[in-house]
Amino acid sequence: GAGVSQTPSNKVTEKGKYVELRCDPISGHTALYWYRQSLGQGPEFLIYFQGTGAADDSGLPNDRFFAVRPEGSVSTLKIQRTERGDSAVYLCASSLQGSGANVLTFGAGSRLTVL
Amino acid sequence: QKEVEQNSGPLSVPEGAIASLNCTYSDRGSQSFFWYRQYSGKSPELIMSIYSNGDKEDGRFTAQLNKASQYVSLLIRDSQPSDSATYLCAVIPGGFKTIFGAGTRLFVKA
Repeated sequence: GAGVSQTPSNKVTEKGKYVELRCDPISGHTALYWYRQSLGQGPEFLIYFQGTGAADDSGLPNDRFFAVRPEGSVSTLKIQRTERGDSAVYLCASSLQGSGANVLTFGAGSRLTVL
Repeated sequence: QKEVEQNSGPLSVPEGAIASLNCTYSDRGSQSFFWYRQYSGKSPELIMSIYSNGDKEDGRFTAQLNKASQYVSLLIRDSQPSDSATYLCAVIPGGFKTIFGAGTRLFVKA
């Protein structure tokens, strides 16, 4: 696609529920990133994919969070047993390839609210 | 110590003035440095990248890098009200993970 597409744009759920957030990167971009941004803070790194594999998942806060990218394109971030503290904007970004000169193009984000 | 530190602001400058935004980073081995702009309710967008010591100019924007001091800055000349946004400093300390600062809010008064 022309840009990074994220769905849903808004998700309201109840504490304890399961949530999936989807990211469709720019066509041809092999590197895909998930970040989480809380109000007044910068984006916080969660996970990085190069192709189908998670090259760095050091930012996932705990085992309730999981992400997949089975065919090297679309990625899904999965959050189990949601907690109120998970409320944030979840940003996806892609880049042409993972490199030290990486420039990220972000999607519009998915705003998650856990009641 | 945070990996990337910025003054949260807000920084307020009059229209036409120079806005100076600063950032320090902790990993001395970092090689790639970026400034992203984020309008309220929107996603970050890249405005400048810099990889070597010195200045890099792009229109009204100049990025400055001093690796010895672990310091990155962004100057915005002839500031416009449309420049009002949060400016995020970002660093790749190694590998492919980009680390962001908390951002500096800039207000340009007409």
